[in-house]
Amino acid sequence: EAGVAQSPRYKIIEKRQSVAFWCNPISGHATLYWYQQILGQGPKLLIQFQNNGVVDDSQLPKDRFSAERLKGVDSTLKIQPAKLEDSAVYLCASSLSSGGTDTQYFGPGTRLTVL
Amino acid sequence: GENVEQHPSTLSVQEGDSAVIKCTYSDSASNYFPWYKQELGKRPQLIIDIRSNVGEKKDQRIAVTLNKTAKHFSLHITETQPEDSAVYFCAASYGGYQKVTFGIGTKLQVIP
Repeated sequence: EAGVAQSPRYKIIEKRQSVAFWCNPISGHATLYWYQQILGQGPKLLIQFQNNGVVDDSQLPKDRFSAERLKGVDSTLKIQPAKLEDSAVYLCASSLSSGGTDTQYFGPGTRLTVL
Repeated sequence: GENVEQHPSTLSVQEGDSAVIKCTYSDSASNYFPWYKQELGKRPQLIIDIRSNVGEKKDQRIAVTLNKTAKHFSLHITETQPEDSAVYFCAASYGGYQKVTFGIGTKLQVIP
């Protein structure tokens, strides 16, 4: 079974520039998550999709971050404009069903450095 | 919302000794408690989980205990090996859409 795919793996940008990350979840997984992991901290949930609908985006800085999940499969996360404090690893994860306690499978992450 | 506290933040043990990591959660509605292992530069991977209707679960050298009354849960690793060295995250989940809140992580170092 193929895992969660993410690209790019690394990105370096100047502050105030924009950046986009892509995630392809495990086939058939209904739920997709984007997490921000700052160095030395645990992952923080930014947004959670159920198929192509948003079920939680309470911790997404909506003035600069946006995300969408096309046709309930792939997802993109965008930052515009980026700030220094956005430097982090952005992890995408997916799980099988719409509720309950299914295992989340993480992608390799995108390491973003904002200069 | 849910708040998960984890300690210690770092833990060094001799190879063969046991390691214990403890977490507390705030929301009594939380009903699922996974533990993830993250090696340097790699993705978090689930190592064990426990649901609120169970008090203890074991998988070879790893065990997790849950005390719902006190709202805390712990990870126990016995006979530690150098390859156990990593950052371990506890998490708590609740709700129909399984919103997960992670602890800050424990960096475990197993000294050969």
